[in-house]
Amino acid sequence: KQEVTQIPAALSVPEGENLVLNCSFTDSAIYNLQWFRQDPGKGLTSLLLIQSSQREQTSGRLNASLDKSSGRSTLYIAASQPGDSATYLCAVCHGTDKLIFGTGTRLQVFP
Amino acid sequence: NAGVTQTPKFQVLKTGQSMTLQCAQDMNHEYMSWYRQDPGMGLRLIHYSVGAGITDQGEVPNGYNVSRSTTEDFPLRLLSAAPSQTSVYFCASSYSIMAGMSDTEAFFGQGTRLTVV
Repeated sequence: KQEVTQIPAALSVPEGENLVLNCSFTDSAIYNLQWFRQDPGKGLTSLLLIQSSQREQTSGRLNASLDKSSGRSTLYIAASQPGDSATYLCAVCHGTDKLIFGTGTRLQVFP
Repeated sequence: NAGVTQTPKFQVLKTGQSMTLQCAQDMNHEYMSWYRQDPGMGLRLIHYSVGAGITDQGEVPNGYNVSRSTTEDFPLRLLSAAPSQTSVYFCASSYSIMAGMSDTEAFFGQGTRLTVV
């Protein structure tokens, strides 16, 4: 059974720091991995999708890497800002189209 | 673009009542799904559909029914609400890997916060 784990569960940093959020999964037979952002009381917003054949994807200050063989992905946030405060979720597409989610990393960036 | 639209945003039910959560998407996505989100448990898949007329159970299907008569709509029915169904419900849609698509970025609605008393 595929299981997805995110570490740390919570993170509080001063503005300007570079951050690394971790996601690990137990079964490397995935189609893709997706990172989402969730603001309190809101839905999920897709940040990056990495296909199983790709090593990384970049969007602005965000960079996500994928090491399928070791079952790991990292989300790198450069020069963090208070507006980055949210919960970050990773999800793997494993078996048909189903997404399996981690429990998230709650990030707070203070001025 | 509207994306994925869920209604209602909030709902309070009494135990035993039934209701339907609505979900509609305008992106012509084959795959649609329902999740519930509970503190400390992440998002868990309730039901999903890979196209009109095709539905299947996810991880936590008990107490819920779905149907998919059109590509656009995927309603979730609570048959007899129980306090354990108090949760935030999310609908999502994407193109389907099973249909041969590679860009299967998932789009989520804003959620329905359901309280069963």
